[in-house]
Amino acid sequence: QSALTQPASVSGSPGQSITISCTGTNSDVGGYNYVSWYQQHPGKAPNLIIYDVSNRPSGVSNRFSGSKSGNTASLTISGLQAEDEADYYCSSYTRTSPYVFGTGTKVTVL
Amino acid sequence: QVQLVESGGGVVQPGTSLRLSCAASGFTFTGYGMHWVRQAPGKGLEWVALIWYDGSKTSYADSVKGRFSISRDNSKKTLNLEMNSLRAEDTAVYYCARGEDFWSDSPHYYFDSWGQGALVTVST
Repeated sequence: QSALTQPASVSGSPGQSITISCTGTNSDVGGYNYVSWYQQHPGKAPNLIIYDVSNRPSGVSNRFSGSKSGNTASLTISGLQAEDEADYYCSSYTRTSPYVFGTGTKVTVL
Repeated sequence: QVQLVESGGGVVQPGTSLRLSCAASGFTFTGYGMHWVRQAPGKGLEWVALIWYDGSKTSYADSVKGRFSISRDNSKKTLNLEMNSLRAEDTAVYYCARGEDFWSDSPHYYFDSWGQGALVTVST
């Protein structure tokens, strides 16, 4: 099972919106509405921020939103803040593995 | 609140074995699937293994299949990972993570709680 493809880095200025893509196949992202997103600050454990493509756990800021089109899922961070600087990983349930993570995206707040 | 605490990490030589444990508290352990996820230094997350709420089913990543074994002791609320024939490429922080809620009406295919991780270094 190959990792889902994410851009290595995305940057934006405070207050801006950024979008991180997560591309898979019809055996994972495209085949199920079970895409989740995780935020990981340096030296810390990952933290769930989006599940089932677009749902936010309680306590997660509504500045984080998720969507999916075909084999590509997306995470949008609106009103970018300094605290959003972190690594972000997507994950999907798959037909075979049963789970696969994305390659990860480093978000930099300029 | 949900708490997952890993233990058992350390430095080992290639070809040897190591056992990780994860102590769970703050939730009904017997209701959830549990996972191990690892992260090599400076690299991304890699799903490693899954065990169903009752231990009846397990699943492994191809990279560890036949070498690693996941188990759980529901009476002690503990998740384990037995790692054999360790290789340099197994060097990573190993996280235990809570997964599937088997009593939920809705599918639950995500990891909603994570431990702080245990570092395993395989080196001569």
